[in-house]
Amino acid sequence: QQQVRQSPQSLTVWEGETAILNCSYENSAFDYFPWYQQFPGEGPALLISILSVSDKKEDGRFTIFFNKREKKLSLHIADSQPGDSATYFCAASTGSFNKLTFGAGTRLAVCP
Amino acid sequence: DAGVTQTPRHEVAEKGQTIILKCEPVSGHNDLFWYRQTKIQGLELLSYFRSKSLMEDGGAFKDRFKAEMLNSSFSTLKIQPTEPKDSAVYLCASSLGANTGQLYFGEGSKLTVL
Repeated sequence: QQQVRQSPQSLTVWEGETAILNCSYENSAFDYFPWYQQFPGEGPALLISILSVSDKKEDGRFTIFFNKREKKLSLHIADSQPGDSATYFCAASTGSFNKLTFGAGTRLAVCP
Repeated sequence: DAGVTQTPRHEVAEKGQTIILKCEPVSGHNDLFWYRQTKIQGLELLSYFRSKSLMEDGGAFKDRFKAEMLNSSFSTLKIQPTEPKDSAVYLCASSLGANTGQLYFGEGSKLTVL
């Protein structure tokens, strides 16, 4: 049972475009949603996160949009750069923010 | 500052063998996690320790997977006996605890079971 779903599985954009990565969840008790970025050969690293009381969170070129009613969120990467090429994981937790349920990931490729 | 250290980085095992993966968390972190990463399932939680106490011992993985935290700076994950379907990257992560919401991951141990 996949509690956190991500789409698409893979995404290719051109340098300078906005990449949009989607995430949905089933458990309405989830209240914390981090996104992790993983480069090949490395472990995932926290990129940006949002609490369910907010509908938007920005950090530089990265923005999370959150729709609690539809149980959906998305990560927008503006002005995509080749260095953004990585796998992005959406995660969720309830109560204990450290106990995360991860999605299967979206592999992003940014072409120069 | 030393991050999360995992050894070995690569392991090849024959079916039926016992393998032990090791993890040293970030110094001072109270929470430690073991995840299994595959392309299809993504990251699946295997075990979760808080202050060395086992908080969660992930369901479907209980029978052949055993994680231990012998002290606050060292943890092991034993898989016994190994099966080809266990081939994956095993990630260890640690966190300060107190619901910081940030996990620090190691580089992982890639296991191949023949």
